[in-house]
Amino acid sequence: KAGVTQTPRYLIKTRGQQVTLSCSPISGHRSVSWYQQTPGQGLQFLFEYFSETQRNKGNFPGRFSGRQFSNSRSEMNVSTLELGDSALYLCASGRDVQPQHFGDGTRLSIL
Amino acid sequence: GIQVEQSPPDLILQEGANSTLRCNFSDSVNNLQWFHQNPWGQLINLFYIPSGTKQNGRLSATTVATERYSLLYISSSQTTDSGVYFCAVAPKTSYDKVIFGPGTSLSVIP
Repeated sequence: KAGVTQTPRYLIKTRGQQVTLSCSPISGHRSVSWYQQTPGQGLQFLFEYFSETQRNKGNFPGRFSGRQFSNSRSEMNVSTLELGDSALYLCASGRDVQPQHFGDGTRLSIL
Repeated sequence: GIQVEQSPPDLILQEGANSTLRCNFSDSVNNLQWFHQNPWGQLINLFYIPSGTKQNGRLSATTVATERYSLLYISSSQTTDSGVYFCAVAPKTSYDKVIFGPGTSLSVIP
């Protein structure tokens, strides 16, 4: 059974640009959650989607958005990138919000 | 919101030693998971344990939900156990939002 797949694995952008990250969950999983991990703030919850609906959202500015498609694949978008957005972005899937299974992450660097 | 604390924050062990990691949470939870993040950043699911005790090889975990804590036991540690251990909870009041603790950084030296 394939695991959670995140693309791309690495990304370099400059300030002001926007970025879209993709997450394909494990087959049969309808919940997809996104997290940002930085050395200073640890693992912070961004949002969770279930059956194409955002059920909960963390304390991030509106520049961070996401969506989920009918096949449960999810994308997150960050607009007007700032240096502080440099982080490892992790996606997790589950039949419900837990137990979660994580992808390998997308490492985003902002120059 | 719910607070999740983990102790100790850092731990250095000699290979073969045993250790206990603790996770305290400030409110009732629906679920709790333990993860290991390896040096390459991969988060590996260790246990899904909202209550009770589970064992998997050298690792075991116990959650006492009524007292709001969970313990992760590592026996006969190996260098491959190095990394950061996180507990993550889904609060009863916000079950669709998983909150991670700050982690315990473990280094196992040969």
